[in-house]
Amino acid sequence: AQSVTQLGSHVSVSEGALVLLRCNYSSSVPPYLFWYVQYPNQGLQLLLKYTTGATLVKGINGFEAEFKKSETSFHLTKPSAHMSDAAEYFCAVSDIVSRNTGFQKLVFGTGTRLLVSP
Amino acid sequence: GAGVSQTPSNKVTEKGKYVELRCDPISGHTALYWYRQSLGQGPEFLIYFQGTGAADDSGLPNDRFFAVRPEGSVSTLKIQRTERGDSAVYLCASSLKGGTAGELFFGEGSRLTVL
Repeated sequence: AQSVTQLGSHVSVSEGALVLLRCNYSSSVPPYLFWYVQYPNQGLQLLLKYTTGATLVKGINGFEAEFKKSETSFHLTKPSAHMSDAAEYFCAVSDIVSRNTGFQKLVFGTGTRLLVSP
Repeated sequence: GAGVSQTPSNKVTEKGKYVELRCDPISGHTALYWYRQSLGQGPEFLIYFQGTGAADDSGLPNDRFFAVRPEGSVSTLKIQRTERGDSAVYLCASSLKGGTAGELFFGEGSRLTVL
């Protein structure tokens, strides 16, 4: 069965500092990997995804993540944190993606709340 | 609006009561998902619709939970004989048919509290 582990329920950084949110996954087949962000009082929003091809994936708002198969990891990074990055971040994995319908059954981690201080 | 709309945003009910939660997906999105997010947890898959039919309902926890999408647009999640353990935020998402791992667009959720 698939699973996702996000280390650290809370991560605190100063504005301008590097952001690193950790995600490790377990999957019996090559996975599709996702990072979603949830800002206060808003729905989950896709940040970036890895399906196939280049292992370094760039997303919105300056975030990127690297798929490392040998480490079963998909950590999220951003070189310089901004106050507006404060939100909850969810890593997710799916090994079921229908090419006909686009159906994907996501398994989410428990989330990491990013706190950014001035 | 242009996004996924869920109503009510908050629902408080008593144990044993019946509850309906509504989801209005983005116009033209044929795929619709329901997820449940309990406190301190990530969202958990409940059910997936492609058009009017439930293509995968493997995440529904028991037969007290049921969902419909009669016209292939709006969906209703129905919970019978609610229990305190049903308290959670119920999330709806929609996406376009086709493609590979297309983006899911989530609503803000319906927070259900069972007293």
